[in-house]
Amino acid sequence: QVQLQESGPGLLKPSETLSLTCTVSGGSVSSRTYYWSWIRQPPGKRLEWIGYIYYTGNVIYNPSLKSRVTISIVTSKNQFSLKLSSVTAADTAVYYCATFDSSGPMQGTFDYWGQGALVTVSS
Amino acid sequence: EIVLTQSPATLSSSPGERATLSCRASQSVSTYLAWYQQKPGQAPRLLIHDASNRATGIPARFSGSGSGTDFTLTISSLEPEDFAVYYCQQRSYWPLFGPGTKVDIK
Repeated sequence: QVQLQESGPGLLKPSETLSLTCTVSGGSVSSRTYYWSWIRQPPGKRLEWIGYIYYTGNVIYNPSLKSRVTISIVTSKNQFSLKLSSVTAADTAVYYCATFDSSGPMQGTFDYWGQGALVTVSS
Repeated sequence: EIVLTQSPATLSSSPGERATLSCRASQSVSTYLAWYQQKPGQAPRLLIHDASNRATGIPARFSGSGSGTDFTLTISSLEPEDFAVYYCQQRSYWPLFGPGTKVDIK
């Protein structure tokens, strides 16, 4: 069973760059089964998909965030990461990493999730 | 761009009652719709994929139906652990979640 764990700073100032890492265990980021995804949830609000990366390095971003987001994969460490530039208070949220099934009966669903990392943007 | 709406925003029910939650898409998503359950302080958990298929380990009291633009999640008899927020998610274009329905105890 795939397990995911987010890590990174929990407090940022406006205009800084958010950087989070997701460490994968019980599976490989080189797997063709999943797109490795980032999702966020502002306090009291709905979930928002940020983007995902495939083992080939192909990335797809939410158009609303595309100009500020970079997702990358580090195969040697079995990790993938998120960078979000020029953050504001509106980027305060719990950030989740998750698997997005690329094929099969579960295609298009997020079936494994990390526990989430709260990132607060405040001056 | 597809928009998902969910109703009601809050459903107040008692254990043992039947709960019916609705998700509507602004345009057809075929059966490319999933349902998730989220409890406070926890990550969402996948319940239903492809509109009507229960994910592994999900109790039979959860069922999904619908296609096109109108979908329903039914909990046949609410257990105490079912009081949570439920989100629908479509995958026709990029992944998108609905605003959620909170099921709370009456």
